[in-house]
Amino acid sequence: SAVISQKPSRDICQRGTSLTIQCQVDSQVTMMFWYRQQPGQSLTLIATANQGSEATYESGFVIDKFPISRPNLTFSTLTVSNMSPEDSSIYLCSVEGTGGHETQYFGPGTRLLVL
Amino acid sequence: GIQVEQSPPDLILQEGANSTLRCNFSDSVNNLQWFHQNPWGQLINLFYIPSGTKQNGRLSATTVATERYSLLYISSSQTTDSGVYFCAVDLAGANSKLTFGKGITLSVRP
Repeated sequence: SAVISQKPSRDICQRGTSLTIQCQVDSQVTMMFWYRQQPGQSLTLIATANQGSEATYESGFVIDKFPISRPNLTFSTLTVSNMSPEDSSIYLCSVEGTGGHETQYFGPGTRLLVL
Repeated sequence: GIQVEQSPPDLILQEGANSTLRCNFSDSVNNLQWFHQNPWGQLINLFYIPSGTKQNGRLSATTVATERYSLLYISSSQTTDSGVYFCAVDLAGANSKLTFGKGITLSVRP
């Protein structure tokens, strides 16, 4: 299994500002993922964070709005840029166990409220 | 894209009752996981079960990959079982990206 931490755990932000969320894993992993969970909804994949290359974004998500960094095999950041109230969500990072197509483990999430 | 449907959407149980939660998916998958999201939002892994049957205490799960469904069984339910149960699948040929169902909200009453 993997132990994942996220910072901050929650935040309240003003519209038009940006917030960077950090995800730290206790072991080296190839694939890290960022998900969004809007209030009362299921989880939707934002992007796959690749070490050494640009992130791969899902349909409906763009790099200008959600820039991602992956400087090494244990760390990633997701920035929510130019926030609006519609960005109020829980943002979660996840990692996959070694070997490919293994169990995915999720961090505790970052609760974001945009006023 | 792959469709993941969970049923029923909501479930209310009396403590001690048993229940069955269902997940149907529309295509072949590499991975299927069941999660429990507690009231604090934490996603807890229950099972990694692309096929076959597994048991962990009062919980068990069965996936019939050829018929594209999975079942999660909760026996002797407790109030701490309350929360949202998600099924998520990783489409065969994709690179481990999980597609989640809409979830089943379970409320267990004392």
